[in-house]
Formats: sequence, structure tokens, C-alpha cells
Amino acid sequence: DAKTTQPTSMDCAEGRAANLPCNHSTISGNEYVYWYRQIHSQGPQYIIHGLKNNETNEMASLIITEDRKSSTLILPHATLRDTAVYYCIVKITGNQFYFGTGTSLTVIP
Amino acid sequence: EAGVAQSPRYKIIEKRQSVAFWCNPISGHATLYWYQQILGQGPKLLIQFQNNGVVDDSQLPKDRFSAERLKGVDSTLKIQPAKLEDSAVYLCASSLEAGAGEQFFGPGTRLTVL
Repeated sequence: DAKTTQPTSMDCAEGRAANLPCNHSTISGNEYVYWYRQIHSQGPQYIIHGLKNNETNEMASLIITEDRKSSTLILPHATLRDTAVYYCIVKITGNQFYFGTGTSLTVIP
Repeated sequence: EAGVAQSPRYKIIEKRQSVAFWCNPISGHATLYWYQQILGQGPKLLIQFQNNGVVDDSQLPKDRFSAERLKGVDSTLKIQPAKLEDSAVYLCASSLEAGAGEQFFGPGTRLTVL
């Protein structure tokens, strides 16, 4: 599965949109982009995933570039409860997840 | 819907002792995973079960770690004997089917080996 590159940490003001980037320049055509997050002392939580098209659900939006080499997770109105480590993962259906070290997002009051 | 249950939440043991962790997945989920998460790192898959059969245990240190899922529901992960480097959070997850993108994680068991 393709590797991903994420910033180590980011800050975001409460109420503003949080935009978390992920680079996956070696992604192949059948690999999906997944986002999970892990709040302190909890297990990871699924957020969203996509293949080619942009996706939106009640938690977030996922924007994938046309060449699929990068993506951005958008939390439209960040709250203090969104403070967590966010993992961007690319994988083929059926393969295991490789979590990496993720981006530590801190939402500031 | 009840989530993935794990126990105990915390365990402190001395090196060379043995320890066991228990996981009860979401009802109806055929696939169960055990992950190890060392402080500052992302979770690493140790073993994956499909019903009561092992699908992937390539990263399980088999000289000291063992896991079973006898009736295709609950699972137990054991470490015997424990080493200092086994200090980590052990996470259990389940999914409806193997390779499913959405895995549901339990709260984990934090193991400290002294």
C-alpha cells in the first residue's frame, strides 16, 4: 500500500474550519484514502473514506485532488472535542491498515 | 448498538510474568483485529481473525504472543513471558467483514511492564 505524509502537528481556532493535508504521491488506482482519528485514551474512530470523488458526511469532508496524489480532510467548524491525532491511510480493499504517526490537531479556544 | 468491549483497561506486571487481554467485538462482526500501539506511534496490527480462523498473524511475535477466538466471537490475547518493550496499549477492533474500511475500535488495554 502507498505511504502517506502528514504534518506532525497543527493548531486550529475553535469554530474555524480545520484543514488537514495528506500527501500520497505513490497511490495506485485501486487504493482508497481513509481518515481515522484518535482522541486521547480512546481507540481510533473512523471518519471518512473515498476513492476519486470528494466525499462528505456528518463529521467531515474529504477533498481528493484530481491526480489523487494528495487529499485534505476538512472539519468545517472545529470544536474542542475535535482535538485528536488524525491518521490518513491509503489501502486496497482487503489489505490491512498502516496507521503511521498522523497529525496531532489541537483546537484552541 | 454496543461497541467493542475490552478488559482490563489497565494492567501492570513485572517482566517475565504473563498477562491476558479479553475482547468482545460488536455483535455480528465476523472479523476481529488485535493492534499494539506504542506511545507516540500509530497502531500496528498483530493478528486478524475471520470468524475463528487466523487471516494474518505475520506481525505477531509468536515466541511470546498468542491469540485465540474459539467460538468466532470473543477473543483473548496473551503474552508469556512479558518483556519491557511490550509496554503499550493493546487495541481490539472488529468489522463486518475482512478488509472492510470501517473498523470499530475498543478503548484498549494499557499494559505497563516493570
